[in-house]
Amino acid sequence: EIVMTQSPATLSVSPGERATLSCRASQSVSSNLAWYQQKPGQAPRLLIYGASTRATGIPARFSGSGSGTEFILTISSLQSEDFAVYYCQQYNNWPPWTFGQGTKVEIK
Amino acid sequence: QVQLVESGGGVVQPGGSLRLSCAASGFTFSSYGLHWVRQAPGKGLEWVTFIRFDGSNKYYADSVKGRFTISRDNSKSTLYLQMSSLRAEDTAVYYCAKDLTAYYDSSGYYSFFDYWGQGTLVTVSS
Repeated sequence: EIVMTQSPATLSVSPGERATLSCRASQSVSSNLAWYQQKPGQAPRLLIYGASTRATGIPARFSGSGSGTEFILTISSLQSEDFAVYYCQQYNNWPPWTFGQGTKVEIK
Repeated sequence: QVQLVESGGGVVQPGGSLRLSCAASGFTFSSYGLHWVRQAPGKGLEWVTFIRFDGSNKYYADSVKGRFTISRDNSKSTLYLQMSSLRAEDTAVYYCAKDLTAYYDSSGYYSFFDYWGQGTLVTVSS
């Protein structure tokens, strides 16, 4: 089973600032990596797939990069609606599909 | 638009059973695989099980293998999760999620979850 590790656990950022979230896989997942956003009381929402492709309707301020074992999700200028928990997920080796433990982006 | 609506959650005693449903609309149900993913209170996401578009293949997390059964009725556009021998650690919000295949290669296919339902809460407690 591939273990996904996200850092930091919590990121405190001011509105308008840049946020950089990291995700590491225990072995290579190629570019088969997705990012999801989850707000309190809501279901997760797909942001990025293929490590860097934005899903339909996702604003351009969200960008993903990386391949192999190291991945980054960048939010270029945080808006109030972006404060949430973000999960990475690998889909290179399944089952199981595995998620990171999440990074909470909170208001500084 | 794609909609996934889960139902069937509730409180059940340890060792008990429960069946969850997920009613789908807005896409060709019979053409897509579907997953169940759960989230324990205050915790992260855990994949539970997957069924292919035609029900021909099913996969389970080790934590639920032998206790949970996924099924689907393509004529009703509905996904099911039969849960038995429930434990306290099965307490979670259960989401159904639509599978989207990114691509195929000689090793198989690669898919992620493009739409999620709002979830249904299952509480296992005496």
